[in-house]
Amino acid sequence: SQQGEEDPQALSIQEGENATMNCSYKTSINNLQWYRQNSGRGLVHLILIRSNEREKHSGRLRVTLDTSKKSSSLLITASRAADTASYFCATDRGGSEKLVFGKGTKLTVNP
Amino acid sequence: GAVVSQHPSWVICKSGTSVKIECRSLDFQATTMFWYRQFPKQSLMLMATSNEGSKATYEQGVEKDKFLINHASLTLSTLTVTSAHPEDSSFYICSARMFGTASYEQYFGPGTRLTVT
Repeated sequence: SQQGEEDPQALSIQEGENATMNCSYKTSINNLQWYRQNSGRGLVHLILIRSNEREKHSGRLRVTLDTSKKSSSLLITASRAADTASYFCATDRGGSEKLVFGKGTKLTVNP
Repeated sequence: GAVVSQHPSWVICKSGTSVKIECRSLDFQATTMFWYRQFPKQSLMLMATSNEGSKATYEQGVEKDKFLINHASLTLSTLTVTSAHPEDSSFYICSARMFGTASYEQYFGPGTRLTVT
């Protein structure tokens, strides 16, 4: 069953702008991960945040986690056309090694 | 490092035939491999979890006799779609967890697009 729900489902911005995507989940988790998928391709791991962390940075990516609200956000700063892709959050099931993916946000960055 | 390959990248087969998809971890040993299915513009749905040398664990609603999984070594898992039907057409993606690490990260293959005619 789908654990995560991302919003918005689709986001279109101009190059240089920031993009924010949100993810909500239902059950307790040990960690939450964000992945990127270019059209028709596999997934690329972006960042993992543990349940005891509130914020994490990696390059132009910033992820926050609010376990009380069961939500996470992914911020991409100074977006580039190459950031155009679908972004998925994935959660474990309370420590299970299995990942449950959200529905994804399709990001389009216009040059 | 941590590269996962899939073969073939795409395949077209006739209804009733069987298709085998390979998933290999190229530069690491994989404790566990996972098989996902993705319909157009949708998310990934976990089909099964495969551990080397043991039977795969299938998710609810996934027919184990239709989707045969073999995990013969720490670097190779195969998914065979038996007696394929047009509704089996989908994008199949595998992932692998690295052996000997507590990391939750999964490394994904590039996917295999199956079209059943």
